[in-house]
Amino acid sequence: EVQLVESGGGSVPPGGSLRLSCGASGFTFRNSWMTWVRQAPGRGLELVSIINQDGSDKYYVDSVRGRFTISRDNAKNSLYLQMNSLRAEDTAVYYCAKDSWGPEYWGQGTLVTVSS
Amino acid sequence: DVVMTQSPLSLPVTLGQPASISCRSSQSLVHSDGNTYLNWFQQRPGQSPRRLIYKISNRGSGVPDRFSGSGSGTDFTLRISRVEAEDVGVYYCMQATQWPRAFGQGTKVEIK
Repeated sequence: EVQLVESGGGSVPPGGSLRLSCGASGFTFRNSWMTWVRQAPGRGLELVSIINQDGSDKYYVDSVRGRFTISRDNAKNSLYLQMNSLRAEDTAVYYCAKDSWGPEYWGQGTLVTVSS
Repeated sequence: DVVMTQSPLSLPVTLGQPASISCRSSQSLVHSDGNTYLNWFQQRPGQSPRRLIYKISNRGSGVPDRFSGSGSGTDFTLRISRVEAEDVGVYYCMQATQWPRAFGQGTKVEIK
């Protein structure tokens, strides 16, 4: 059974930083593209970033480019999202997902709140 | 960037009756490899999203066959043949043909 478990969310003031983690099991992590998708309270879905199997290829949505960094550790079956210079509009539930030309399996999400 | 537009945004349905959601993209979603990477997702209240359909019409693992997808190019449709109570939630289309990936606004399905 595929399992994705996010952690690292919390409350942070504007300008602060957080590092999200996602532990993966039930599939061959090193062979999979992985993504981070976020959902602001009461809003729709936004795919924030994606990374290929060995971490050599990464894409970011314009609103986070230069502030967020996606990475992975295939030895630990883990995906990360380093979020710097956080803004109020980054407040959202962040989901980790295994990607197969679209998010195929999703975690339960971790809430990030940016507020003073 | 590709823009995905869904309609309707709200869909009251009667149990046992069919339902249909439309999704249009601002550009063709045909990839250079010949595939069309159009997905449909369901998000039940309080839950994470779940992929229902990939590449226009392929059902995901464990997805009931009352869900079907169709379309081509820029026009796509998700159909539920007979709506059940557990189908209540928000449905999103999403293109994965080009970056940035884009979701539609979502269609809220509720029981009349």
